[in-house]
Amino acid sequence: DSGVTQTPKHLITATGQRVTLRCSPRSGDLSVYWYQQSLDQGLQFLIQYYNGEERAKGNILERFSAQQFPDLHSELNLSSLELGDSALYFCASSVTASTTGELFFGEGSRLTVL
Amino acid sequence: TQLLEQSPQFLSIQEGENLTVYCNSSSVFSSLQWYRQEPGEGPVLLVTVVTGGEVKKLKRLTFQFGDARKDSSLHITAAQPGDTGLYLCAGRIATGNQFYFGTGTSLTVIP
Repeated sequence: DSGVTQTPKHLITATGQRVTLRCSPRSGDLSVYWYQQSLDQGLQFLIQYYNGEERAKGNILERFSAQQFPDLHSELNLSSLELGDSALYFCASSVTASTTGELFFGEGSRLTVL
Repeated sequence: TQLLEQSPQFLSIQEGENLTVYCNSSSVFSSLQWYRQEPGEGPVLLVTVVTGGEVKKLKRLTFQFGDARKDSSLHITAAQPGDTGLYLCAGRIATGNQFYFGTGTSLTVIP
């Protein structure tokens, strides 16, 4: 158990819909990262937050947005969903903003868009 | 285009055999990590290497960071079924603030 909690574990929805994925980091970790994992693209970095502020942005689509709340939990919002958005979405946390340390990953949220 | 390419993509071997997984890039990394991911779970950190030429051993696993800090390898001696999983390398570039993950190597060790 990494200490990172993601909900929901599985989500099935239709194209055009909007979903929200939730992540609670390990106790004491200030930094949250979101990754997308698909079979043909591997693990792609989406976005990072540190103590409520956006710190780094990766390959995140404009249809996607995220935020980190004062209690440090984070939400990833995916809108106007397309078939290609079907993937595993991972949240990871670390103590610091700099990723020289270990990333602790949650178990992921599997999104299926039909 | 992936910043880090791993090879082989898939590997199926018999228990007791040795294997090497490679992680290559044209970019220089300030540090590199190896993770292992099992089905239904998130990746778990195995090791971090930061110095060119560095070699780290973790029981039957040996990790090496290339002298130029552009590549890395993971060698497993006498593989066991419990080693089965997806192995991911992740490199951090000097000016970046996050790790770029490799394409992954899916290892199956057959009893």
